[in-house]
Amino acid sequence: GESVGLHLPTLSVQEGDNSIINCAYSNSASDYFIWYKQESGKGPQFIIDIRSNMDKRQGQRVTVLLNKTVKHLSLQIAATQPGDSAVYFCAENIGSGGSYIPTFGRGTSLIVHP
Amino acid sequence: DGGITQSPKYLFRKEGQNVTLSCEQNLNHDAMYWYRQDPGQGLRLIYYSQIVNDFQKGDIAEGYSVSREKKESFPLTVTSAQKNPTAFYLCASNGGSMTEAFFGQGTRLTVV
Repeated sequence: GESVGLHLPTLSVQEGDNSIINCAYSNSASDYFIWYKQESGKGPQFIIDIRSNMDKRQGQRVTVLLNKTVKHLSLQIAATQPGDSAVYFCAENIGSGGSYIPTFGRGTSLIVHP
Repeated sequence: DGGITQSPKYLFRKEGQNVTLSCEQNLNHDAMYWYRQDPGQGLRLIYYSQIVNDFQKGDIAEGYSVSREKKESFPLTVTSAQKNPTAFYLCASNGGSMTEAFFGQGTRLTVV
């Protein structure tokens, strides 16, 4: 079935480096994508979103890139800090019978070494 | 402050018992969702509701039940038919197709 998935389950970086987390999606009809951050024992929190009519969107220290040709989404975190250590999920709102269901990939664990 | 609240944070269930997890939101969202998360895994959809008095099964609904009598509330019951209920349960809501989901802090359910 169609799903959202991630290439790398774990990413280790040094503090101050830039991090890139990748995500592949297969539902070509999806038009809204979201990145969430989940800290241990907590619920996911919204980081940034992007609509399918955009290629790039920037936030504070984060950038999301969308490549519709190859169905690829990435999250770039600039100057990664220890507080960025968490699991990151990409998600898409998939249409189902008139509803749009937030559908999540497996997640990537980001580990930032001081 | 607007938000979504889950309770309790930790819950212990004996074999054969039904337990109910609470989820309340004051964001005025129509849509609410329940997800299950196992260690090192993503979020799997249990049930969702797009409007009061209506709800739909997700990918792993067996052994669970829900109700949506009020817009603000979407409780999840884990029944004795759920053979492996130990997991982290997350409730979420959102306000439309092009909006992000807001999550509660989760309930960790353990079978004892």
